[in-house]
Amino acid sequence: DAGVTQSPTHLIKTRGQQVTLRCSPKSGHDTVSWYQQALGQGPQFIFQYYEEEERQRGNFPDRFSGHQFPNYSSELNVNALLLGDSALYLCASSPDTGGATQYFGPGTRLLVL
Amino acid sequence: AQSVAQPEDQVNVAEGNPLTVKCTYSVSGNPYLFWYVQYPNRGLQFLLKYITGDNLVKGSYGFEAEFNKSQTSFHLKKPSALVSDSALYFCAVRPDSGGYNKLIFGAGTRLAVHP
Repeated sequence: DAGVTQSPTHLIKTRGQQVTLRCSPKSGHDTVSWYQQALGQGPQFIFQYYEEEERQRGNFPDRFSGHQFPNYSSELNVNALLLGDSALYLCASSPDTGGATQYFGPGTRLLVL
Repeated sequence: AQSVAQPEDQVNVAEGNPLTVKCTYSVSGNPYLFWYVQYPNRGLQFLLKYITGDNLVKGSYGFEAEFNKSQTSFHLKKPSALVSDSALYFCAVRPDSGGYNKLIFGAGTRLAVHP
C-alpha cells in the first residue's frame, strides 16, 4: 500500500510566477491537508479539503488556493509567488474520523528566486 | 491563542542513555496530541498520539510520551537512545473543538545522539 505521494519533489520558480503542487493520499483516506514548512520552523496549516470542498483554512492569503478531485487527490496552487513562499510544502491525508492520524508525504521543496 | 512550545532547540544525549524531548501546549478543551519525527529532506513520520485514556502512550521505535493535563505537557521519552534516533522531532496538537484535523505544530527540537 503506497503512502502519501507528492509531485514534484523539487521546483524552482521566479517571483510573480504561479505554481501547482500535487498530492495523492494514502489509500482509504478522504481528507487532505496542506502545510507549509519554512526553513527552521514547524509546519504551518494552509487548508484542508474534504468532499472536494475547502472546509478549513489557516492564516494564508488568497494567493494560496487548492482543489480536491473525486479520487481524493489534491492540488495546491500559489499565484504571484514571493521570495517568502520558498519552503517545503507538505501534504497530509487522513480518514474523516475524530482523532485520526494525519500521514504526511515527502513534500515538495519550492525555491522562489 | 492556540500554541505549542518546544522549549529546547536541541537535545544532546549519549547512546544508551534515556532521552526526553519536551512539549507544552496552550489549547482550550481536550486536545489530541501527536509526535512526529522528520529525517533530513524527508516528510514527517508519525510516532504516537494521545486522545484519551492512559496518560502514558507507547509508539513506534520504542518511543513513549506522557500526557500531563495539569501541566499541559506531552513530553516524548525513550529509555535508551540510539544514534539512529538523531532527527528533528515535532510536537503537534489538534484542538478539540471544531478543529477537524488541523494540526498546530511546535518549532521542533533537534535530537543528537552521540556514540
